[in-house]
Amino acid sequence: KAGVTQTPRYLIKTRGQQVTLSCSPISGHRSVSWYQQTPGQGLQFLFEYFSETQRNKGNFPGRFSGRQFSNSRSEMNVSTLELGDSALYLCASSPGTGGALQETQYFGPGTRLLVL
Amino acid sequence: EDQVTQSPEALRLQEGESSSLNCSYTVSGLRGLFWYRQDPGKGPEFLFTLYSAGEEKEKERLKATLTKKESFLHITAPKPEDSATYLCAAPPYSGAGSYQLTFGKGTKLSVIP
Repeated sequence: KAGVTQTPRYLIKTRGQQVTLSCSPISGHRSVSWYQQTPGQGLQFLFEYFSETQRNKGNFPGRFSGRQFSNSRSEMNVSTLELGDSALYLCASSPGTGGALQETQYFGPGTRLLVL
Repeated sequence: EDQVTQSPEALRLQEGESSSLNCSYTVSGLRGLFWYRQDPGKGPEFLFTLYSAGEEKEKERLKATLTKKESFLHITAPKPEDSATYLCAAPPYSGAGSYQLTFGKGTKLSVIP
């Protein structure tokens, strides 16, 4: 099975611009989560989507948004970019079959965003 | 308050020198404890999932164990290619309906030939 794929792998933007990142989950996986990773804060949860619905959202400003399509592919958008948004953005997928136990999440290679 | 805490932050080992990494968590009613390996500039690579106290899982030179308050990642006779940052993660609360993971800050392991 192909793993989680993310595009683009690298991006350079300037302050005030907006950016859209894309994630394709593992085939058959219906849950997609997004994380931001920075040297100071580590990995932080942004949001999670399942069946085109956002189920969980982390503590990030409204400039960060996302969506999921019917084929489970997901996009995240960051508007009005700030220097502090420079980070590695990671997407993870899991089956989304539910249950009391947390499912394993499988990560993609990430998109490295640099805001100048 | 951090719910997932890893120690040490960094660890240097000689090749063949076995050691353990620690991950302590404060979430009651744990719904899963996850270990990942991350190489610089890459996404985390899944290693192990543990669900019950007393559970152990092994893969090559790595063994993960779980107690009610912490998890250990034991590395036996490490090789230079084991050098990476090892991340521990758990759901932030025990109730069903949490689909996110809270990560520790990681342990950066360096194995010297």
